[in-house]
Amino acid sequence: QSALTQPPSASGSPGQSVTISCTGTSSDVGGYNYVSWYQQHPGKAPKLMIYEVSKRPSGVPDRFSGSKSGNTASLTVSGLQAEDEADYYCSSYAGSNGVFGTGTKVTVL
Amino acid sequence: QVQLVQSGAEVKKPGASVKVSCKASGYTFTGYYMHWVRQAPGQGLEWMGWINPNSGGTNYAQKFQGWVTMTRDTSISTAYMELSRLRSDDTAVYYCARDIAAAGNTYDYWGQGTLVTVSS
Repeated sequence: QSALTQPPSASGSPGQSVTISCTGTSSDVGGYNYVSWYQQHPGKAPKLMIYEVSKRPSGVPDRFSGSKSGNTASLTVSGLQAEDEADYYCSSYAGSNGVFGTGTKVTVL
Repeated sequence: QVQLVQSGAEVKKPGASVKVSCKASGYTFTGYYMHWVRQAPGQGLEWMGWINPNSGGTNYAQKFQGWVTMTRDTSISTAYMELSRLRSDDTAVYYCARDIAAAGNTYDYWGQGTLVTVSS
């Protein structure tokens, strides 16, 4: 199972929006609605930000939103804040297996 | 509140085995699959597999089949991940993570991570 493809980096100024893509295949992202997104700050465990493509867990700001089209899922962070600077990973169910994205470092300029 | 507390850092020699524990509290341990994920220094997340704490059933990523073993002890709400025949490139932080989607790979709670260093 190959890793899902994410851009290595993305950036934006405070208040702007940034969108991260996550491209897989019909065997993972495109085949199921079990796509989730995780935020990871240095030295910390990942934190669930979006699940089942577009659902937000309790406590996650509504600045974070998710979507999917075909084999590509996307995470959008609106109204960027300094604390959003982190690594972001997508994840997908892949028919009893799991797979993560390659990760994207988001920088708040 | 839900907590996953992992065992402490380990230093192992190449060829040895390591067993990492993950003690769950704040929820019904047998009600949620537990996954293991690792992250090599400066690298991304890598899915290793899951265990169903209720049945003991497991599913391992193809890469790890034959050298990872996931078990659980329901009496103490603890999951274990044992990796054998360690190599230097197994140096990583190992995480346990609870799946809220019954093996749908949606991880809502994570352990704090256990650093395993493989060095001669």
